[in-house]
Amino acid sequence: QVQLVESGGGVVQPGTSLRLSCAASGFSFSSYGIHWVRQAPGKGLEWVAIIWYDGNNKYYADSVKGRFTISRDNSKNTLYLQINSLRAEDTAVYYCARDRSSAWRYGMDVWGQGTTVIVSS
Amino acid sequence: DIVMTQTPLSLSVTPGQPASLSCKSSQSLLHSDGKTYLYWYLQKPGLSPQLLIYDVSNRFSGVPDRFSGSGSGTDFTLKISRVEAEDVGVYYCMQSIQLPLTFGGGTKVEIK
Repeated sequence: QVQLVESGGGVVQPGTSLRLSCAASGFSFSSYGIHWVRQAPGKGLEWVAIIWYDGNNKYYADSVKGRFTISRDNSKNTLYLQINSLRAEDTAVYYCARDRSSAWRYGMDVWGQGTTVIVSS
Repeated sequence: DIVMTQTPLSLSVTPGQPASLSCKSSQSLLHSDGKTYLYWYLQKPGLSPQLLIYDVSNRFSGVPDRFSGSGSGTDFTLKISRVEAEDVGVYYCMQSIQLPLTFGGGTKVEIK
């Protein structure tokens, strides 16, 4: 079935780096834009980044620009989020979510189960 | 950035009764292509968000017809005609007319 599965979360110290992965299955991964969305504990949803179907266009929330890098490997059906200089405010569940289009505008119709990142000393 | 404001913050509903959730945007979500890029999601307790409504009023695949969306410009409403126990959770609206995508703060729906 159509599925996204995130991994790579954990407890990390401030200032360190982490790479999250999102493995896709059950659909043509290379045809869709994919988002990262995060949710801090007890808070609402915050959009983080989007990468277009071919990886040639990427956009970020201002809160993560310069520290986060979204990428994808269509040959491996996998999305990545490289997070550098982690801060306490990056603590959240990180979801990958498929856009209904090849880009970013048509809403997210498939969501992963999320991976938890906790930034703490 | 477009600010999305949802009211009420929470709603307690008797099963079988209707519910109405509001979402207002700080700018019009009507694009020059004629579409209005407003979405509704439901996040059930402990689960990932799920798409309910796209383009203001279109139910996503598998969404029961007791859910309906309406509105235009900057004012939008999600209605549940007869709330069921499985409808509990937090409802979020989201705009995608421009980046960054932004979500409302959510409306928590509980059962009385």
